[in-house]
Formats: sequence, C-alpha cells, structure tokens
Amino acid sequence: LAKTTQPISMDSYEGQEVNITCSHNNIATNDYITWYQQFPSQGPRFIIQGYKTKVTNEVASLFIPADRKSSTLSLPRVSLSDTAVYYCLVGDSLPPHKLIFGTGTLLAVQP
Amino acid sequence: EPEVTQTPSHQVTQMGQEVILRCVPISNHLYFYWYRQILGQKVEFLVSFYNNEISEKSEIFDDQFSVERPDGSNFTLKIRSTKLEDSAMYFCASNTGDGSKNIQYFGAGTRLSVL
Repeated sequence: LAKTTQPISMDSYEGQEVNITCSHNNIATNDYITWYQQFPSQGPRFIIQGYKTKVTNEVASLFIPADRKSSTLSLPRVSLSDTAVYYCLVGDSLPPHKLIFGTGTLLAVQP
Repeated sequence: EPEVTQTPSHQVTQMGQEVILRCVPISNHLYFYWYRQILGQKVEFLVSFYNNEISEKSEIFDDQFSVERPDGSNFTLKIRSTKLEDSAMYFCASNTGDGSKNIQYFGAGTRLSVL
C-alpha cells in the first residue's frame, strides 16, 4: 500500500478556497486516491475518489497530475463547518482491502 | 441517504467484562469492517468480513475479539474480556463490493469506556 504524506494542519478563513496536497510517490498502477473527512467523535466520511486528471462532485474537487505522485483536494468557499481532519488514502479499488489512515490534515476554518 | 448505524453510542463497562458492539450496515452492502480510534490517535483497522467469514484481521484483533453477522442485517463486534486499553471509539463500515471502488461508509461510532 502506498505511503502518503500530507500537512499536519492548515488554517483558513470562511469563504476561502482550501487546497490540501497529498504526496504518494510510490503509488501503484491499480491504486485509486480517496479522501475522507472526519469530525470529532464521528466516523470518517467519504468525500471524493479519483484515478487521474480531475474529479468534481458537489463537495470538492480532486486534482491528480499525470504522474499521479501527488493529489490535491480542493474545497471551494469553506465554512466553519468544514473544520475537520482530512485523510488522503491510496490503495487498490477492489474490496475488501482495509483502509490505512494516517494522521491526516487538521483544517481549522476561522470566521 | 442510506447509512451505517451503530449502537450504543456510548458503552461503559468494567474491566474484564464482555461487551458487544452492534452495527447495521447499509442494506445492499456485502463487505463489513470494524475500525477503532483511541483518543487522539489514528483510525486503525481491526477486521474485514465477507460471505460470513473474516477476510482479514489486524494484530489488534486477537482472541479476545470476535465478529458475527447473526441475522443478515446486524454485524457485531464482541470483546470477551475488556481491558483498559480497549477504551476507544469503534467504527463499523460497509462497502458495496461491486468490484469497482473500495469506498467504505462509516457509522458514527460507539465510544467504549473501560473502567
């Protein structure tokens, strides 16, 4: 399973766009990149998943360069409620593979 | 939107007692998981379950732990003789198993406090 590296913490203000970058230099051909969000005392919540280029849903965008050695989660116009830990995970798309969580990025959104 | 539900939300027990944590996965999902998160630490994988048997388990999942899908809707985690270090949030997750994406959907968790 590919190891990931992401910033421990980030600060932002309401209304700003936030970009969280994750490095995964040894990503394998079959690996997908998946981001989860976790609020305190709650379970992780799936945000977005991608393989290459750009993926967008109602919550976020995921940008993946051609070499796939990194990815960037983009949260448009964050609000206070986006304060959470964001995890970047890399692994094979086929279940039942376990998810391996790192320490994630604690995003703190201020008014 | 379908969701994974876990009960109870908080369980307090005495050291050495047995506890059963309950989960109702999303109804059409085929793969089930338990994870735990000790306060301030990472989310850790415990076990995965498919077709009524364990697919994979971690080193944490020793003989004190067991899982069961007793009735086709519930998925339980039993800890036979709890230790102080078992105090943690326990999360259940499920996955469709449709072969295209390993997206796991998590419950809100059960906070286990061992006294």
